[in-house]
Amino acid sequence: GQQLNQSPQSMFIQEGEDVSMNCTSSSIFNTWLWYKQDPGEGPVLLIALYKAGELTSNGRLTAQFGITRKDSFLNISASIPSDVGIYFCAGQNSGNTPLVFGKGTRLSVIA
Amino acid sequence: NAGVTQTPKFRILKIGQSMTLQCTQDMNHNYMYWYRQDPGMGLKLIYYSVGAGITDKGEVPNGYNVSRSTTEDFPLRLELAAPSQTSVYFCASSWTGAYGYTFGSGTRLTVV
Repeated sequence: GQQLNQSPQSMFIQEGEDVSMNCTSSSIFNTWLWYKQDPGEGPVLLIALYKAGELTSNGRLTAQFGITRKDSFLNISASIPSDVGIYFCAGQNSGNTPLVFGKGTRLSVIA
Repeated sequence: NAGVTQTPKFRILKIGQSMTLQCTQDMNHNYMYWYRQDPGMGLKLIYYSVGAGITDKGEVPNGYNVSRSTTEDFPLRLELAAPSQTSVYFCASSWTGAYGYTFGSGTRLTVV
């Protein structure tokens, strides 16, 4: 099946630093989404991208849908302790096909 | 508004036992999904449903069964539990399938 390569696998950063993570695929997706999972909880949607080249912000979070439709990145500015968690990218071909998830980036923030 | 509710939260099964993981949503969503999460492996799709009476296999369906008799409920059945089924199971739902999913808080299952 389709696979998403998400990097880095994990990162340790100082509070206040900016964070960047990305996701690549060997095949095209028509929708890219980014989720965050807090410990012991299910993933929660952060940002959804529906158009190639689209750049969308949600507070301190910014995500972009790659122009080739095969990649996406997520940036977090001025990280805070509550940013800790696992960030997942997900891709979708069409509205009726289930999401395909990356393996996640585990973020740790050192105060 | 409860969203997606999963029960139980934790369960320990012996090899060969069976159990049903319950999932219910109160958002009148047509699409429902079951994923399993193993450490460092992301979320893998087990089964999904696009509406009552319709189910389809995902990436890792072996050892599991599902049914969708109502819009609200989408139970996942394990017939003969195996250690390889030790995982965290997430149920999710979506209005049209074209937008982000709402996830439940998960069921942590250990098979010993």
